[in-house]
Formats: sequence, C-alpha cells, structure tokens
Amino acid sequence: EIVLTQSPATLSLSPGERATLSCGASQSVSSSYLAWYQQKPGLAPRLLIYDASSRATGIPDRFSGSGSGTDFTLTISRLEPEDFAVYYCQQYGSSPPWTFGQGTKVEIK
Amino acid sequence: EVQLVQSGAEVKKPGESLKISCKGSGYSFTSYWIGWVRQMPGKGLEWMGIIYPGDSDTRYSPSFQGQVTISADKSISTAYLQWSSLKASDTAMYYCARRASSSFYFDYWGQGTLVTVSS
Repeated sequence: EIVLTQSPATLSLSPGERATLSCGASQSVSSSYLAWYQQKPGLAPRLLIYDASSRATGIPDRFSGSGSGTDFTLTISRLEPEDFAVYYCQQYGSSPPWTFGQGTKVEIK
Repeated sequence: EVQLVQSGAEVKKPGESLKISCKGSGYSFTSYWIGWVRQMPGKGLEWMGIIYPGDSDTRYSPSFQGQVTISADKSISTAYLQWSSLKASDTAMYYCARRASSSFYFDYWGQGTLVTVSS
C-alpha cells in the first residue's frame, strides 16, 4: 500500500499570496496517477487535479499540479477567499487501496 | 447532470446493523465504478472500497475488508455500504464517489451520510 505524506499540515497565508502544497509518496506512483481534491467545511471533496497536472472541468487556472515519481505539488498562484480549505492528494497508480494523504489545511493568516 | 444522492443521517447503537445507500443518476450507472470513503470526525479521507455495478466486482482496502460489505443493485442504480455489527469507532461521515471513466480518481461525489454510533 502506498503511503502519501502531505506537507505542511497547515499553511497560513493571505489572500493574493501563492500557496505551494506538497505530497510525497512512499514509493513511485506509476504514470503520475495522482489527484488533488479540495474540501470545505461541511461539504464533500471536489476534484481539482487528476493525472498530476490536468485540471478538472471548471477548475480555475490559478490551480496547477506538477510532479512525478514520489514528489508532487499543488500550486495556487494567487489565493482567493474561496480557496481557504483542506486539500488532499490521492494516488491511484497501484492496486487498491487508492490511498489519500492526510490533508493540508490552507488557512487565512 | 451526474448526481450521487446518499441516504440520510443515521443514529445507531453498538451491535446494530446498518445499510446506507448511494443512488446514481444522469449517467450509465452500470458502466462506472462507485467507491466509498470514510471521514472520521475532524480527520482525513480513507479509501474503503469500490464496486463495479455492471458485474458487482468489488475491491476492499485491507483496513476495511471483513468490516463492511459493499454491494450494488443495478436495477435501481444504487450502491450500498453495510455493517452487520456497528461499533462506536464506525462513527463517521461516509461518502460515495464515482470513479472516472478514463482513470481511477473520483470525479463526482455524493453529499455524504453521517453515521453516529452511540449507546
């Protein structure tokens, strides 16, 4: 089972700033099969990025994903007020279970 | 429009059984895998298992194998998650989600079902 470790646990930033979230895998994620989700309080997660760098339908271009192998990054170029939330990475490159990271909370500084 | 609509919140006692549901609409239910994800209070997402309603092929996370049963009734486009004997530690929000056609991430999610197990 691949273990994903997200860092930092909490990121305190101001609107307009750049956010950089990391997701490290315990072994290489094949074919860059990694997704990012956003979750706001009381709501279900929402798909942002799949296959490491492809934006899901309707996701603003301030969200971008990169990385391969064991190191992946989600970047939010300029934080909008609605971007303060918890972000999870998920790998799906191996046999199930297709595990999630423990999450990074992006909070208002 | 793709929708996954889950059954309502449940309050149960330890030892009781429970079956929660997830009804898909707006797409071919038998052609997409449906997964279940647990979120314990204040915690992260845990991948539990997944089912292909077309033939009921099911895969479980080792952490949940034997603890829950995932099933589907394709005639009514509904997937299920069930417990035979609940524990207090099963208290959580449970989400169903549709696996994308082209890969294994979840592209649509249900609204969640809150399960509370308390004596």
